[in-house]
Amino acid sequence: GQSLEQPSEVTAVEGAIVQINCTYQTSGFYGLSWYQQHDGGAPTFLSYNALDGLEETGRFSSFLSRSDSYGYLLLQELQMKDSASYFCAVRDNYGQNFVFGPGTRLSVLP
Amino acid sequence: GAGVSQTPSNKVTEKGKYVELRCDPISGHTALYWYRQSLGQGPEFLIYFQGTGAADDSGLPNDRFFAVRPEGSVSTLKIQRTERGDSAVYLCASSPGGAGSAGNEQFFGPGTRLTVL
Repeated sequence: GQSLEQPSEVTAVEGAIVQINCTYQTSGFYGLSWYQQHDGGAPTFLSYNALDGLEETGRFSSFLSRSDSYGYLLLQELQMKDSASYFCAVRDNYGQNFVFGPGTRLSVLP
Repeated sequence: GAGVSQTPSNKVTEKGKYVELRCDPISGHTALYWYRQSLGQGPEFLIYFQGTGAADDSGLPNDRFFAVRPEGSVSTLKIQRTERGDSAVYLCASSPGGAGSAGNEQFFGPGTRLTVL
């Protein structure tokens, strides 16, 4: 089967750093993506990792370890506008489809 | 801006009826995906088109669901004999295709909220 696991909720304060973990079990693996979704909005792309290591894009970084079937999204200098749901997604089945995780709801407090 | 658009934004129908949901992808994007999302859950993959062909339809829940993309651009998701359990937000996404981060970035439309009474 295919499954992704993420914490359901994370809470942090403005200016802090938060890490959202994702573990996956899929029949194939071609890369790990992260998406942000605000309530009532569409998912928006944050990052994609195909190889092991850390990818940095501004305040957001994403990490992948293929041997551990594990990745994380790191958000630095948290802002109130970062309050949203965050989804990891694995490109699976010989790169033909994407499997999304259940999502992590991040609440940033003042 | 020329993002992904979906129509209608909301659709209310009665159990047993037929519905069509439309997706206009970003011009030039060869890959097109349909997902459905229930409240509090992640998007659930339905079908993936590469050009005009359905490269992977393994996510379609049953034969009441069908999707087409006849000219490699606009796509229509068709649901026959709708059931209350079909109620969800149906999301469409397009991607340039290819390798790397740019090829794998999916641009999502605003979704169609389907309610089956």
